[in-house]
Amino acid sequence: GENVEQHPSTLSVQEGDSAVIKCTYSDSASNYFPWYKQELGKGPQLIIDIRSNVGEKKDQRIAVTLNKTAKHFSLHITETQPEDSAVYFCAASISTGGGNKLTFGTGTQLKVEL
Amino acid sequence: GAVVSQHPSRVICKSGTSVKIECRSLDFQATTMFWYRQFPKQSLMLMATSNEGSKATYEQGVEKDKFLINHASLTLSTLTVTSAHPEDSSFYICSVPGRGDGYTFGSGTRLTVV
Repeated sequence: GENVEQHPSTLSVQEGDSAVIKCTYSDSASNYFPWYKQELGKGPQLIIDIRSNVGEKKDQRIAVTLNKTAKHFSLHITETQPEDSAVYFCAASISTGGGNKLTFGTGTQLKVEL
Repeated sequence: GAVVSQHPSRVICKSGTSVKIECRSLDFQATTMFWYRQFPKQSLMLMATSNEGSKATYEQGVEKDKFLINHASLTLSTLTVTSAHPEDSSFYICSVPGRGDGYTFGSGTRLTVV
C-alpha cells in the first residue's frame, strides 16, 4: 500500500519568514495530493491540493510543488503569520473521482514566533 | 467540498458502555464515508470505509465487532464504539469525499473512557 513520509516533524520560524514542509510517497499510481491544516481539537481543513498532471499550484501565501519522478511534494508558506501555527498533514490518494482513501503523512507542528 | 457535521464533539463514558458518533453530509450525497482515529500528537489512521447500503470495509487490525459502522443513508454514517475501554480513548474523525477529488473532514469527537 501507499506510504507517505513527512519532514520535519516540528518547524519553528519567525513571523514573516517562509516555511517549507516536504513529503515523499511510495505508490507511483497516486495522483492526488492534498495538504491539511489541523488546529488543536479540530478536524483537518484542506488548505491546498495538487493533481499529478500539475507541477505547481499557488493560492495567495500558500504553494505546493510536485515532482512525480522523484515522488515528492512540498508545501510552501510565505510571509508566515502567528495564525499559521498548527499541525500540517500531507496526504496521497489514487483518485478516480472520489471515494478513494487518503494516506496521511506523520504531520508537522509549525510554530510561528513573533 | 461537502459540508460535514459530526456529533458529539466530546463524550465521556464509563468503561464497558457503548458510544455512538454521527457523521452527516449536509449538502452532498455520499455513498462512501471514512472514519479515522487520531491519538495525541499522531497522524490520522484510517479505521474503516463506510459504504452506503452495504458492509463497511475495515483496515487491518481494526476490530469490526468493536467498531460498528452503519451507513443507512446517503447523508449519515455512524460509528459505535462498543464495550469501550480506556485504550479506546482517542479523537475520532469522519471524512466525506465531495465532488471531484476533495475530502471534507468533520470536526472530530474526543472520546474519553473512564
